[in-house]
Amino acid sequence: DGGITQSPKYLFRKEGQNVTLSCEQNLNHDAMYWYRQDPGQGLRLIYYSQIVNDFQKGDIAEGYSVSREKKESFPLTVTSAQKNPTAFYLCASSQSGGGADTQYFGPGTRLTVL
Amino acid sequence: DAKTTQPTSMDCAEGRAANLPCNHSTISGNEYVYWYRQIHSQGPQYIIHGLKNNETNEMASLIITEDRKSSTLILPHATLRDTAVYYCIVRVIGQGGTASKLTFGTGTRLQVTL
Repeated sequence: DGGITQSPKYLFRKEGQNVTLSCEQNLNHDAMYWYRQDPGQGLRLIYYSQIVNDFQKGDIAEGYSVSREKKESFPLTVTSAQKNPTAFYLCASSQSGGGADTQYFGPGTRLTVL
Repeated sequence: DAKTTQPTSMDCAEGRAANLPCNHSTISGNEYVYWYRQIHSQGPQYIIHGLKNNETNEMASLIITEDRKSSTLILPHATLRDTAVYYCIVRVIGQGGTASKLTFGTGTRLQVTL
């Protein structure tokens, strides 16, 4: 069954701790994205990767880091430098990352920092 | 990307057609119209997209006016599972990288009732 998986669905962490969110896709897509969604608001782009070993900062990259060592995986680390990390995090992928390329989303991870 | 305007909320009786309007009066010739929906606490789901011709797939139909300044998403037989926030997005063709990010507005909250 093809798709995008994110784990875990819910994550709780203490303030000051780094945490890594998983995103895996078996769609053979080249491009992958991380977005953040806050209550009642739209999505904001954190990081984007078009190919393996390459990624670009989005609009709100401060306090986050990513890696793209494999085509199917794009983990996001929320560091202690992120001032307000509690949010709903969404991973997406698309065939090539072009402007008219359809993005498909995972189920999301809801991170709560206590 | 062009700005879109959607009604904040709509109701639809189960089994009836749901017609969701979107105004994008400043759309450019190189921008597609995309529709996504988001069920509470889930990742956005791609529905359909188009440039200037009407489009239909297994989920919905997209009607784009001749001047492309507005469009309507039609769910032909709404069910309770179609209750969600529906987002209309316009995206420039050909811009890759971080410019390919999706910019979600506040969308239309569709409530399907018995």
